[in-house]
Amino acid sequence: NAGVTQTPKFRILKIGQSMTLQCAQDMNHNYMYWYRQDPGMGLKLIYYSVGAGITDKGEVPNGYNVSRSTTEDFPLRLELAAPSQTSVYFCASRSDRVNQPQHFGDGTRLSIL
Amino acid sequence: AQTVTQSQPEMSVQEAETVTLSCTYDTSESDYYLFWYKQPPSRQMILVIRQEAYKQQNATENRFSVNFQKAAKSFSLKISDSQLGDAAMYFCAYRSGDFSGAGSYQLTFGKGTKLSVIP
Repeated sequence: NAGVTQTPKFRILKIGQSMTLQCAQDMNHNYMYWYRQDPGMGLKLIYYSVGAGITDKGEVPNGYNVSRSTTEDFPLRLELAAPSQTSVYFCASRSDRVNQPQHFGDGTRLSIL
Repeated sequence: AQTVTQSQPEMSVQEAETVTLSCTYDTSESDYYLFWYKQPPSRQMILVIRQEAYKQQNATENRFSVNFQKAAKSFSLKISDSQLGDAAMYFCAYRSGDFSGAGSYQLTFGKGTKLSVIP
């Protein structure tokens, strides 16, 4: 019962460094999402994908890139880390069947110093 | 664009008592879903309850129930017989309906309400 798996759980980066947050799901879901959660706030959508090879921007995409080469994986790339990207990042997936909820991973806490 | 507003940053309730968390939303769509998510200190996002807009009957899940007022665009969560394990952040969220052509079908979240349960 893996569901949505995010790695790493915690990471500290220096300003200007790059890294990739990994997300994998084993439910054969077409829809996948990346959200960020800033302190005291709800989640905001960064990028989403409706299937392998198809991605699109969400509400707050600046400073991030994504790719979706397989149905299972949806990595999020930070190219030049900035303090404003300090946040908790959540990956989620959803079946494209009617009336299905999003399933969330446990989140990655990222600090940029 | 849709917006979700939670006007209570913090709430507290005595153990075994009942508490109601408020949520209002703004949309021009007629087909949508509303959700309440619980986020304990472990940071997980746990789905508590959901409501389809086309259903007039309020959703219930054990001790959790909603009061869905579509005309008023209000979606409150009632927790009965509160338990210590209910202490968490609670987020109200909105999603466009499955046939709305919305594209991402993303969740739009409120800022959350921190619920404390007093023993």
